Amino acid sequence: GAVVSQHPSWVICKSGTSVKIECRSLDFQATTMFWYRQFPKQSLMLMATSNEGSKATYEQGVEKDKFLINHASLTLSTLTVTSAHPEDSSFYICSASRGATQNSPLHFGNGTRLTVT
Amino acid sequence: GQQVMQIPQYQHVQEGEDFTTYCNSSTTLSNIQWYKQRPGGHPVFLIQLVKSGEVKKQKRLTFQFGEAKKNSSLHITATQTTDVGTYFCAGRPFTGTYKYIFGTGTRLKVLA
Repeated sequence: GAVVSQHPSWVICKSGTSVKIECRSLDFQATTMFWYRQFPKQSLMLMATSNEGSKATYEQGVEKDKFLINHASLTLSTLTVTSAHPEDSSFYICSASRGATQNSPLHFGNGTRLTVT
Repeated sequence: GQQVMQIPQYQHVQEGEDFTTYCNSSTTLSNIQWYKQRPGGHPVFLIQLVKSGEVKKQKRLTFQFGEAKKNSSLHITATQTTDVGTYFCAGRPFTGTYKYIFGTGTRLKVLA
């Protein structure tokens, strides 16, 4: 089946530093990937839609200069949390759709747990 | 903005009892998907409903899409301890977008 790989699984960084998270579709090409943030015991909050070869589309309230998204190839999207602060600590998870239609299921990465000290 | 609410937020059941979670959208949906997230894991796709009034079954799981395409439900018959996890619905609004709005989730605990 379709596999989405996310790296790293967890990261601890100091306040003020930047962290890059990678999301790869391993056995299919994904023109669109999605980035979510999930707080403990809460739902997935869509942060942005990553589009291959063009700018990401950010959801309302998500700072695009804070959360930089790059989708340079059909199998890789990256999320960089710039100048991280403790309030950025969270579970970040990506997803990609294997199919060409809007009805295709989403395949999720294993997520990245970010802790900013 | 568009919201997708689920009730209940939590449910504890004895093994063997039935369980239902309800999903309600503030806007009409093009289609709805259901996902299960085990503790510490990532969401895994369960099923998709597209047609108004559609009902689909997967073994002990029954999924339903409302006639107005604004609500959906997931019913589990005779729960097992392996059913533990959080169940999310995810709806796609009629806006021609690829993005899905996730519901608030229902966390199921099954007591043996």
